[in-house]
Amino acid sequence: EAGVTQFPSHSVIEKGQTVTLRCDPISGHDNLYWYRRVMGKEIKFLLHFVKESKQDESGMPNNRFLAERTGGTYSTLKVQPAELEDSGVYFCASSQGGRFTYTFGSGTRLTVV
Amino acid sequence: GDSVTQMEGPVTLSEEAFLTINCTYTATGYPSLFWYVQYPGEGLQLLLKATKADDKGSNKGFEATYRKETTSFHLEKGSVQVSDSAVYFCALSLSGANNLFFGTGTRLTVIP
Repeated sequence: EAGVTQFPSHSVIEKGQTVTLRCDPISGHDNLYWYRRVMGKEIKFLLHFVKESKQDESGMPNNRFLAERTGGTYSTLKVQPAELEDSGVYFCASSQGGRFTYTFGSGTRLTVV
Repeated sequence: GDSVTQMEGPVTLSEEAFLTINCTYTATGYPSLFWYVQYPGEGLQLLLKATKADDKGSNKGFEATYRKETTSFHLEKGSVQVSDSAVYFCALSLSGANNLFFGTGTRLTVIP
């Protein structure tokens, strides 16, 4: 079974540019989550999809972040325009059940310069 | 608010040494507690969990006991190996919720 795939693995962009991160969950997993770890700090929840619907987006930091999950399959997280404080590692996870059955991807390291 | 505080790193140990990584939490209600591990170049993996007070989670020689009286979930291993070198994250999940609250992570390096 393929795991959770994220790409790119690394992205370096200039302040003000747009970046789109992609996550492919495990096939059949209805739940998809985005988390972020800013350098040296805790991993923080961003949002949770159930199929194509946003179940909880309470962790999204501001309206420069837009997440979508077309057709309930893969998800994208767009940052527009990117700011320096957006730098960090963005993790995606999927599960078929609840919080006990997460599978995480290896993350996208975003650097905004 | 709900949060997890874990021991600052990095931690460097010699092979076969005893490991403790401290984790305490603040939460409303009765959370479930987790330890996740991230090996170099990989995603986070669930290492162990405990869902109620006095439960002990264990896996791969690691153990952690859910202590409600001290709001702690310290990770221990009696004899670490070089292959245990990784970043360890303590986390909690509130009852009825699907998202996790993580600590800052502790990087462990085990030297031969």
